Amino acid sequence: SQKIEQNSEALNIQEGKTATLTCNYTNYSPAYLQWYRQDPGRGPVFLLLIRENEKEKRKERLKVTFDTTLKQSLFHITASQPADSATYLCALDTLNSGGYQKVTFGTGTKLQVIP
Amino acid sequence: EAGVTQFPSHSVIEKGQTVTLRCDPISGHDNLYWYRRVMGKEIKFLLHFVKESKQDESGMPNNRFLAERTGGTYSTLKVQPAELEDSGVYFCASSQYGGPTTGELFFGEGSRLTVL
Repeated sequence: SQKIEQNSEALNIQEGKTATLTCNYTNYSPAYLQWYRQDPGRGPVFLLLIRENEKEKRKERLKVTFDTTLKQSLFHITASQPADSATYLCALDTLNSGGYQKVTFGTGTKLQVIP
Repeated sequence: EAGVTQFPSHSVIEKGQTVTLRCDPISGHDNLYWYRRVMGKEIKFLLHFVKESKQDESGMPNNRFLAERTGGTYSTLKVQPAELEDSGVYFCASSQYGGPTTGELFFGEGSRLTVL
């Protein structure tokens, strides 16, 4: 069966350290992989998109890697800040039988940055 | 520019009643998606509109759920009759792309449905 797995437990890290979140998937062939941030009571907010032929993507303090052989993406936040505390969602971007984008989400990892 | 707006933000109804959720996508976005998150689970895909047409409704749980998108603008999601397991947060998202290319999804804040 198809699965998108993220760290089920919350991740607590000290301010200033690098947070690394993992996303593993099975039985998918995504063309793209996206990461979103979700705060309590809010909708997800897009952060980064990486294509299957890209190994790494950066945006400010964020870095995403995508390994289609391992079927894994890593999401890094460097110099983490308490404001980075949120739930981070991995999302696989595939094409359905009609050739349209379908975005499927993992369960998310809750990140807590401790001052 | 206005983002994706959803109404109501929270609805509490009795089992067996009907609820209609509304979503206004970002102007010019042809693609509109409905998702649902039930307690402790992942955000699950329900369906996808391209303009006014249902492109993919493979995630709709059963025939108690009816989605429409009149004129390719706003969309409604009706649950009739509601059951306890329908409780959760219903998210709407829109995107400009959706065919062979892809793009980020813009989400609304969600409509929380509580069925008692």
